[in-house]
Amino acid sequence: SQKIEQNSEALNIQEGKTATLTCNYTNYSPAYLQWYRQDPGRGPVFLLLIRENEKEKRKERLKVTFDTTLKQSLFHITASQPADSATYLCALDEGSSNTGKLIFGQGTTLQVKP
Amino acid sequence: EAGVAQSPRYKIIEKRQSVAFWCNPISGHATLYWYQQILGQGPKLLIQFQNNGVVDDSQLPKDRFSAERLKGVDSTLKIQPAKLEDSAVYLCASRLTSGGPYNEQFFGPGTRLTVL
Repeated sequence: SQKIEQNSEALNIQEGKTATLTCNYTNYSPAYLQWYRQDPGRGPVFLLLIRENEKEKRKERLKVTFDTTLKQSLFHITASQPADSATYLCALDEGSSNTGKLIFGQGTTLQVKP
Repeated sequence: EAGVAQSPRYKIIEKRQSVAFWCNPISGHATLYWYQQILGQGPKLLIQFQNNGVVDDSQLPKDRFSAERLKGVDSTLKIQPAKLEDSAVYLCASRLTSGGPYNEQFFGPGTRLTVL
């Protein structure tokens, strides 16, 4: 079955620095990958989608890369701010159907210190 | 545009009791999902509906969990009887189906269930 690994330890960085979060997966090649943000007590909020034929995607201060050889996605937040503190989830399409079913990683908590 | 609505936000029950959660998706979203999120983990899909039909319920513990979406709009998830390990946040999400599988999912705020 598909396995997704995100850093389980919290990532603590200083304001203004670039945060880099990792998402590794095994067992098959997804057609696309999504990143979500989740704040305490709230549901996840979609940030970015990247397809298997795309190497990189950007949105404002966010950048996602997708390396299908390494089976890895990196999520970058440049010029980080305390408001970026949250848990970030990566999600991959389930692969065997075209239903939009996602499998989520466990999430990485980011703490940006002022 | 109104988001995904869920109720109640919090529920505390004793083990072996029953509980029901309600979800109203974004208008026009034919696909609806129920997820279970245990503390420290990512959301785990329980069931997926397309309109009022079940697309995937492979991870739904059918001996105690049931879900319905009778008119293809709002949905109810029920647990009967509840176990201690059912303590989690239950998230509902919806997705615009047209345009293929790439559309993002929109999540509600979730219902936090505590089973004592």
